[in-house]
Amino acid sequence: AQSVTQPDIHITVSEGASLELRCNYSYGATPYLFWYVQSPGQGLQLLLKYFSGDTLVQGIKGFEAEFKRSQSSFNLRKPSVHWSDAAEYFCAVAPDTGTASKLTFGTGTRLQVTL
Amino acid sequence: DAGVTQSPTHLIKTRGQQVTLRCSPKSGHDTVSWYQQALGQGPQFIFQYYEEEERQRGNFPDRFSGHQFPNYSSELNVNALLLGDSALYLCASSLAQLYPSGANVLTFGAGSRLTVL
Repeated sequence: AQSVTQPDIHITVSEGASLELRCNYSYGATPYLFWYVQSPGQGLQLLLKYFSGDTLVQGIKGFEAEFKRSQSSFNLRKPSVHWSDAAEYFCAVAPDTGTASKLTFGTGTRLQVTL
Repeated sequence: DAGVTQSPTHLIKTRGQQVTLRCSPKSGHDTVSWYQQALGQGPQFIFQYYEEEERQRGNFPDRFSGHQFPNYSSELNVNALLLGDSALYLCASSLAQLYPSGANVLTFGAGSRLTVL
């Protein structure tokens, strides 16, 4: 069965500093990978997705992620964090067959931004 | 263009009761999925509805059931509530196309927070 590990439960960065959130997955085939962000009282918003092709994918709000098959990783990065980026971030994987609905999520990383 | 709307936003029930949560998908979407997000956890897939039928199901007991209506809206029903059912219930909609089409990426609602006392 597929699984996702987000090893960092909580990360604190200063505004303007760079950010990297880690995500490791376990899946037998090439997965479809996602990063979602959840602000308090809000649903999940898609930041970016990887299906195939270029392993560096760009998303919204200045985020990017790099798929590394050899490391089974899909880390999320942002060069300069803004205070509004404080939220919970979830990495997710979907099977490569069927529809998109059955996502497996990690437990999330809570990002705190200090001014 | 309205996104995914869910109701109610918050509700409190007692053990043994039954609850119904409602979801209207994003305009143009025909598939609805439900997720349970316990405090401090990532969302867990409950089931997916397409063409008014349950198509996929996660590891949840039969106490969890659902329905999809002809207008694509959906309900999640939970019977015989347990304390452990306390969670944020998220509805997500999509268009039923196979990968790698980008059209089937999920759009989530803000959720219904259920507290079981």
